[in-house]
Amino acid sequence: DAGVIQSPRHEVTEMGQEVTLRCKPISGHDYLFWYRQTMMRGLELLIYFNNNVPIDDSGMPEDRFSAKMPNASFSTLKIQPSEPRDSAVYFCASSLQGFPYNSPLHFGNGTRLTVT
Amino acid sequence: QKEVEQNSGPLSVPEGAIASLNCTYSDRGSQSFFWYRQYSGKSPELIMFIYSNGDKEDGRFTAQLNKASQYVSLLIRDSQPSDSATYLCAVTNFGNEKLTFGTGTRLTIIP
Repeated sequence: DAGVIQSPRHEVTEMGQEVTLRCKPISGHDYLFWYRQTMMRGLELLIYFNNNVPIDDSGMPEDRFSAKMPNASFSTLKIQPSEPRDSAVYFCASSLQGFPYNSPLHFGNGTRLTVT
Repeated sequence: QKEVEQNSGPLSVPEGAIASLNCTYSDRGSQSFFWYRQYSGKSPELIMFIYSNGDKEDGRFTAQLNKASQYVSLLIRDSQPSDSATYLCAVTNFGNEKLTFGTGTRLTIIP
């Protein structure tokens, strides 16, 4: 099992540019999560999907952020336009089972985004 | 009130001793509880999960859950320097799969 695969590992971009982060979940996992981690705020849930359908996007900070899951094996998180305050590590995670006894999340290696 | 609260530490424990990490949560309906370990610059990795009140043991790790007190803890026995990391408590909301993390406790094992 290759685990959750994220790309790129590092992204450095200038303010105003579009950024696209990519994620391939573990095969067979029905749930996919996007988190953002900063020193100040810790791990914050941005959005999660069940069977490719967005279930809760209340954590998406603003309209500059969008996420899609066109199929069971691929998801993207897009920031357009990017701002310096978006600098963080973005994690994708997947899990097998939901409520009431949720399966653990399996995290990818993360994408470290720096916006200058 | 934060949904999931942890003491940020740092918590320093001598090698071979028991490390005790604590977490409280605000949603009385939460039913799934997780402990993750995160080394600096790495992604969180699962240590343990627990669903029922009481203790759950796995090797040197024991998770303890008390739903009445809204409290979950992680004990690490025979602490090793390799246990030095940040430990994240995570709790699901009632009725969905939304997993909320605490800010983590930084643990240092002193040789």
